[in-house]
Amino acid sequence: ELKVEQNPLFLSMQEGKNYTIYCNYSTTSDRLYWYRQDPGKSLESLFVLLSNGAVKQEGRLMASLDTKARLSTLHITAAVHDLSATYFCAVDRGAQKLVFGQGTRLTINP
Amino acid sequence: DTAVSQTPKYLVTQMGNDKSIKCEQNLGHDTMYWYKQDSKKFLKIMFSYNNKELIINETVPNRFSPKSPDKAHLNLHINSLELGDSAVYFCASSQERLRQLEGAFFGQGTRLTVV
Repeated sequence: ELKVEQNPLFLSMQEGKNYTIYCNYSTTSDRLYWYRQDPGKSLESLFVLLSNGAVKQEGRLMASLDTKARLSTLHITAAVHDLSATYFCAVDRGAQKLVFGQGTRLTINP
Repeated sequence: DTAVSQTPKYLVTQMGNDKSIKCEQNLGHDTMYWYKQDSKKFLKIMFSYNNKELIINETVPNRFSPKSPDKAHLNLHINSLELGDSAVYFCASSQERLRQLEGAFFGQGTRLTVV
């Protein structure tokens, strides 16, 4: 059974700092997604990573995928308060099923 | 225009009642899903439909029954509600041939509280 684990689950950081969220998964997959969820809101798609070595960047967020290590990272550069949210990675198990990590609740303090 | 819309947004009901949540997508997608998010924010798939056909039916009590009248709609009926059914239910959709490129689009969620 595919398991997806994120760490850390909670992250409190100061504005201006850099940090990385890790997403490990247990079985082979070449498709990984990152989503953002604000409190009480829906999930917003951030990145779709489709192949080994894929790297995508949007503003202060950068995501990468290493399929051999079964690891994806979401790197935050010079964090700002607006990035406070819960971030989920999700791995495509096939047959139209996404398996989600537990989520990382990120709080950025001024 | 809302891409994936669910109604109602909030639903408070008593144990034992039967309730429905409706979902509609205007993206022209051929696959729709129901996910459950529990109090710890953990998201788990419940059902997946492709062109009105059931594809995924995870281990969900048979009190939960999805119904897809057409490609753009996937409703969730829940019978004999229990306290443990309290959660946020998300509808989502994707286009099978573009699933690799776009992933799934999610509705705003329905917060179900069973009292």
